[in-house]
Amino acid sequence: DQQVKQNSPSLSVQEGRISILNCDYTNSMFDYFLWYKKYPAEGPTFLISISSIKDKNEDGRFTVFLNKSAKHLSLHIVPSQPGDSAVYFCAANSGGSNYKLTFGKGTLLTVNP
Amino acid sequence: SQTIHQWPATLVQPVGSPLSLECTVEGTSNPNLYWYRQAAGRGLQLLFYSVGIGQISSEVPQNLSASRPQDRQFILSSKKLLLSDSGFYLCAWSSTGRYRIQYFGAGTRLSVL
Repeated sequence: DQQVKQNSPSLSVQEGRISILNCDYTNSMFDYFLWYKKYPAEGPTFLISISSIKDKNEDGRFTVFLNKSAKHLSLHIVPSQPGDSAVYFCAANSGGSNYKLTFGKGTLLTVNP
Repeated sequence: SQTIHQWPATLVQPVGSPLSLECTVEGTSNPNLYWYRQAAGRGLQLLFYSVGIGQISSEVPQNLSASRPQDRQFILSSKKLLLSDSGFYLCAWSSTGRYRIQYFGAGTRLSVL
């Protein structure tokens, strides 16, 4: 049972435009959500996170939106740059004594110059 | 600042040989530690996690084992490698605060031939 789903394996956008990466989850106990960026042959890098008490968190060009009723979150990158080309993973945590993150399978973002 | 070291970066091993991958964390104490595997074209699969010295939790039955002999050292081992053990192995750490952002090492590419 895949509790965190990234239904788009890939996304291609033009430089300067907005990139929107989507993530859906099924476990209502998740209360903290994270986005990671991964280049080939490297470890994932933490990008941005959001707790369930918020519906938006912004950090520079990156904004994460959370819609708890729809169990959906999205990462917006504005403006997109060629260096943003990477695989983006959505992850979720249910806090408490649960130390684990549940990851989606990732979305490959390609930003074309 | 905290840093995580993982080595080797690349490893080619014959089937049936043993394995030992090491991960160390600097700049923090009593971290939670994790081993993940990313198979080709797939997401991140949690293999083991540890909340303290000698405390190991296994997520999936497999041919691998983990040990934590020191507070900031995490080792992934196998007595006899299988072809299916090939993949990209990642070590990560997190603090023990309310929200556990995980920070990843650079990864080890293991090819079992």
